[in-house]
Amino acid sequence: AQKVTQAQTEISVVEKEDVTLDCVYETRDTTYYLFWYKQPPSGELVFLIRRNSFDEQNEISGRYSWNFQKSTSSFNFTITASQVVDSAVYFCALSRRADSWGKLQFGAGTQVVVTP
Amino acid sequence: DADVTQTPRNRITKTGKRIMLECSQTKGHDRMYWYRQDPGLGLRLIYYSFDVKDINKGEISDGYSVSRQAQAKFSLSLESAIPNQTALYFCATSDLASDDTQYFGPGTRLTVL
Repeated sequence: AQKVTQAQTEISVVEKEDVTLDCVYETRDTTYYLFWYKQPPSGELVFLIRRNSFDEQNEISGRYSWNFQKSTSSFNFTITASQVVDSAVYFCALSRRADSWGKLQFGAGTQVVVTP
Repeated sequence: DADVTQTPRNRITKTGKRIMLECSQTKGHDRMYWYRQDPGLGLRLIYYSFDVKDINKGEISDGYSVSRQAQAKFSLSLESAIPNQTALYFCATSDLASDDTQYFGPGTRLTVL
């Protein structure tokens, strides 16, 4: 069975600090996707990134960067120079080709609190 | 206008009542999903539908039913609500023909007293 673990329940930082969110996954499949979603205090879920299991290239988008390492089954997310607007719950998730991609397995989420 | 809408956004009901949550999308996606979110548990899949004639149970389908009335509409029903169904419910859509990334509605906060 597949599983996604976000061991950090809450991370508190002061504005401009960097913050890294850990995501560890378990799956026997070789073909899968990994995702990050953001849930701000307003409650909606915002898609941030999707990564194919065959593509281990790291990705950077503005202040956001993602580090995918199959050797450690991790897909970590770093926010550089954090801002108050980054305060949110962040979810890591996994989908598999074996499920026709349809089922997202979510981690429990990490609450990020950025204080001025 | 939002691509994925959910109604109602908030609902308080009593134990034993039947309640329906509705989801509509204008994205033209073929796939639709219902999830519930509980504190500390992330989101868990209740039901999913890959097209109008295809409906599947997810991880936690007991106590729920769904109806896919059209490609754009997917409803979730609680036949007899109970307090432990108090949660935040999300609808999502995806399109296998593109990248199948799931996009979520704004959520419905349901409280069962």
